[in-house]
Amino acid sequence: ETGVTQTPRHLVMGMTNKKSLKCEQHLGHNAMYWYKQSAKKPLELMFVYSLEERVENNSVPSRFSPECPNSSHLFLHLHTLQPEDSALYLCASSQVTNQPQHFGDGTRLSIL
Amino acid sequence: SQQGEEDPQALSIQEGENATMNCSYKTSINNLQWYRQNSGRGLVHLILIRSNEREKHSGRLRVTLDTSKKSSSLLITASRAADTASYFCATDNTGGFKTIFGAGTRLFVKA
Repeated sequence: ETGVTQTPRHLVMGMTNKKSLKCEQHLGHNAMYWYKQSAKKPLELMFVYSLEERVENNSVPSRFSPECPNSSHLFLHLHTLQPEDSALYLCASSQVTNQPQHFGDGTRLSIL
Repeated sequence: SQQGEEDPQALSIQEGENATMNCSYKTSINNLQWYRQNSGRGLVHLILIRSNEREKHSGRLRVTLDTSKKSSSLLITASRAADTASYFCATDNTGGFKTIFGAGTRLFVKA
């Protein structure tokens, strides 16, 4: 139990679907992150939120839309995804940015 | 751009042997971290070493940092089958919000 919970664990969707990934942390942290992990590629940072404000948007396509309604919850809204978006999406949190991060177990996303 | 790069990409050893993984990076850093990832799970933080530190220990883990060479190493002593995982180094650039991960070293420890 890492204190960071991601749902769903697996998601299969068509390219025209709209879905959302959810992340919840129970650690009282102030920073939250979305990462994309593809096979044989380094972990790619997508978004960083600090105190519910987005402080980093790492050139992510607009078909990925993050939302941080409060410091404990982070969402990634998905719309009109492409097959190359199939990957493991990891959420993490830390006390503040640039401190050790606690990761959830990810959502395995498959785009048909 | 990718900051940390691990070497080797994969490592296979016998239980009881030591495992050494290396990480190189390109720009100035505040700190360097090592993480482990078991198959199908998220990353787990192992150890953080600051830019003004040269060596750090945690249990069977020993991390070194050479800022002049922009490199770090992770040594796992007396390895166990349960150490089988991927290991990643991660660096943060000074003044930024990003922690940048390398591609990782896959370690396989044979029982």
